[in-house]
This record gives sequence, C-alpha cells and structure tokens, in this order.
Amino acid sequence: KAGVTQTPRYLIKTRGQQVTLSCSPISGHRSVSWYQQTPGQGLQFLFEYFSETQRNKGNFPGRFSGRQFSNSRSEMNVSTLELGDSALYLCASSLRVGRGLNEQFFGPGTRLTVL
Amino acid sequence: GENVEQHPSTLSVQEGDSAVIKCTYSDSASNYFPWYKQELGKRPQLIIDIRSNVGEKKDQRIAVTLNKTAKHFSLHITETQPEDSAVYFCAATPNSGYSTLTFGKGTMLLVSP
Repeated sequence: KAGVTQTPRYLIKTRGQQVTLSCSPISGHRSVSWYQQTPGQGLQFLFEYFSETQRNKGNFPGRFSGRQFSNSRSEMNVSTLELGDSALYLCASSLRVGRGLNEQFFGPGTRLTVL
Repeated sequence: GENVEQHPSTLSVQEGDSAVIKCTYSDSASNYFPWYKQELGKRPQLIIDIRSNVGEKKDQRIAVTLNKTAKHFSLHITETQPEDSAVYFCAATPNSGYSTLTFGKGTMLLVSP
C-alpha cells in the first residue's frame, strides 16, 4: 500500500497571503488529522476529519481551516499568513474503526516558510 | 485537555548502552500511548504503542511500560545502535472517539559509536 502523501513538499509565501496544503491518506483510511510541528512548540494538533466532517479541532485561530473530500483526501488552508505560521505541517491517516485507538501514520509533511 | 510531559529533552549514550525516555500524562481517560521516531528531515514513524489494559510491551530491542496509577509511561531501548539516533516523541489519546494525539516535546537521542 502506498503511504500517506502530501503536496506540495515545500512552500514559500509572504505575510498576508493564503496557502492550501493537500493530504492523501493511505487507501482505505477514513480519518485524516493535521499537526503543526515547530522547534519551539513541537507537534500540535490542528484538526481531525472523518467522513468529510471535522470531528475535533485544536487550539488554533480561525485562519486555519480544512476540509475532507468523499475520497478521504484532505486539504488545509491558512489565510492571512503570519511569520509564526512557518512550520512543518504533517497529516496523519488512520482507519478509525469504532472509538479511537487506531494507529496514525504520518505523511512526509509540507514545509511552509513565511517571509 | 490532555498534557504530556517528556524527559529528558536530550540523551547521549554510547553504542550498546540502554536508553530510557519517560513521559507523564494528565488525563486519566487516556488509554492509548504510541511512540514515534523521527529522523532528521523525515516523517514521524510509529515504533511501538501500548494500550491501557497492558503494562508492558516488547518488540525486539524496544519496550514500553505503562503505569496508569502514576500516569506515566516509558520507552526502553536496549543495545543502542547509531541508527537509533533520532528524535523520539511520546503521545497520549483518550478513548473519546477521536484520533487526536497529544505529543510530548520530544527527546533527541544521540548514540555515539
């Protein structure tokens, strides 16, 4: 099975712009979670999508949003970019059968740099 | 919400030594505890996990222990090798129906030949 894929791998944007990141989960996986990784804050949860619905959201401002499509692919969007949004954005997919406890597998990440 | 503390932040050992990384969590409802290894420039990879109905789990040179009463769990790596050098993250999640993971800040393990 192919692993989790993310596009693009690298992005450079300027403050005030917006960006869209894409994640394709492992075939058959229906849950996609997004995390932001920075040297100072580590790995922080952004949101989780399952069956095209946002099921959980982390403590991030409304500039961060996402969606999931019927084929389980997910996108996240960050509007009005700030310098502090520079980070590695990771998505993870899991089967999510029943109530949680499913292993999450990470994609390679998208490295976003905001200038 | 859940809070996970991880120690130490850096750990240097000689090849062949053992390494131990410890994590504590705050939410008594948490019952799934995975460990991820992240090599420089690569994605986090799940190396072992433990669920709340198990006290210890081993996989070759890697073992994880869980003490639910004290709310802490640990990763043990025996006979370390240079290729074990990486950042290790512990995580916890409650059985809330979500897949949300709360991560520790990570431990940079350096194994010197």
